[in-house]
Amino acid sequence: QVRLEQSGPQVKEPGASVKLSCQASGYNFLKWPIYWVRRAPGQRPEWLGWIKPETGVTLHSEAHRGRLTLTTDTSRSTAYMELGRLTSDDSATYYCARGAGANFWCDNWGQGTQVSVSS
Amino acid sequence: DIVMTQSPDSLAVSLGEKVSVNCKSSRTVVSTSNNKIHLAWYQVKEGQPPKLLLYWASTRAIGVPDRFSGTASGTDFTLTISRLEAEDAALYYCQQYYATATFGQGTKVEIK
Repeated sequence: QVRLEQSGPQVKEPGASVKLSCQASGYNFLKWPIYWVRRAPGQRPEWLGWIKPETGVTLHSEAHRGRLTLTTDTSRSTAYMELGRLTSDDSATYYCARGAGANFWCDNWGQGTQVSVSS
Repeated sequence: DIVMTQSPDSLAVSLGEKVSVNCKSSRTVVSTSNNKIHLAWYQVKEGQPPKLLLYWASTRAIGVPDRFSGTASGTDFTLTISRLEAEDAALYYCQQYYATATFGQGTKVEIK
């Protein structure tokens, strides 16, 4: 079955960068976009962006353009999200998810990665 | 961005009773190209990732029980649980995917 396995929790200082991974299995990784969504405690989920593994085409939230980088390693069926210039507002659980298409819903989600930003 | 507003923020309902969760979009999420409603509903339980319930406002995802249904009228959307079961206690979010993606603030459903 479809499975998205995310990397472990991270603790970072303000101003640093964080890079998270999401390894997919159980389906053709090339054919479905990977979305990144985060959810801070008590906040609504926030869409960060998506990447199409087959082409590398990405779409980012305007709010994070310039400090968000989405990439994939198709040989490892793995997607990566790097977020730079971290602040405490970036503390959240970050999820990768398989999109039903570009700008669609997400039908399978990773377990989430907790990122804490603190000095 | 399209703003999604849910109501109520929380509700407590007895087992077996009907639950309605509302969601309103700040502008249309209906595509003129395919006449489809670009709205999904998710269920989130503590410590778990979101689970897709409905897409195109009313199409159930694979494995979702038929007690979950969705309706739409203009920019107003409703998720209905026809008969609440204990396992349905969770947070519920609507999400529009008409213009990138934005989520509602969530509705907490508790058992009375």
